[in-house]
Amino acid sequence: EAQVTQNPRYLITVTGKKLTVTCSQNMNHEYMSWYRQDPGLGLRQIYYSMNVEVTDKGDVPEGYKVSRKEKRNFPLILESPSPNQTSLYFCASSLYDSRDSQVDTQYFGPGTRLTVL
Amino acid sequence: GENVEQHPSTLSVQEGDSAVIKCTYSDSASNYFPWYKQELGKRPQLIIDIRSNVGEKKDQRIAVTLNKTAKHFSLHITETQPEDSAVYFCASTHSGGSNYKLTFGKGTLLTVNP
Repeated sequence: EAQVTQNPRYLITVTGKKLTVTCSQNMNHEYMSWYRQDPGLGLRQIYYSMNVEVTDKGDVPEGYKVSRKEKRNFPLILESPSPNQTSLYFCASSLYDSRDSQVDTQYFGPGTRLTVL
Repeated sequence: GENVEQHPSTLSVQEGDSAVIKCTYSDSASNYFPWYKQELGKRPQLIIDIRSNVGEKKDQRIAVTLNKTAKHFSLHITETQPEDSAVYFCASTHSGGSNYKLTFGKGTLLTVNP
């Protein structure tokens, strides 16, 4: 079954304790992305990756890191989480056609609800 | 950077009526405009999208129109049903060069009353 998976689904942590949220897709998609969703603010892009070893900042990258060592995985790292990073996080992936520079339909993971105390 | 404005933020209609949600964008180079539906507690899912070389696209009860000159695009849902109740997000992206960001509107909570 084609899917995007995220782990953990729920996480409560404390300020300053490093954490990683994993994201994996089995559709051989080139493009992967992380979003955070907050009430009244919609979905905001944190980081995205066009392919292995190619990552770039979205609109709200501060306090986050990513890596793309393999095509299927795109972990989100919070080196020193703070309470303002309490949010619902979504990973997504899509095809990218380099011939016409087109990003296609985003397939979202189930979400990770993070609480930082 | 790109800015996407979405209106209205909430919309309540009677079952069978039509619903229209509008979005405007700022980057004239944007060329891909998807719409996502998010039911309560679920992940966003694509319902329809349109590219900049097309003015209108329809899929059963759902249609999207794009006006590139005015930089706005709209979602039209006809014959609404209670299961259409959800939050709807528009988005835009500029593919090309070095920027492949996807920018979302803040969402519209659609309630279809039986």
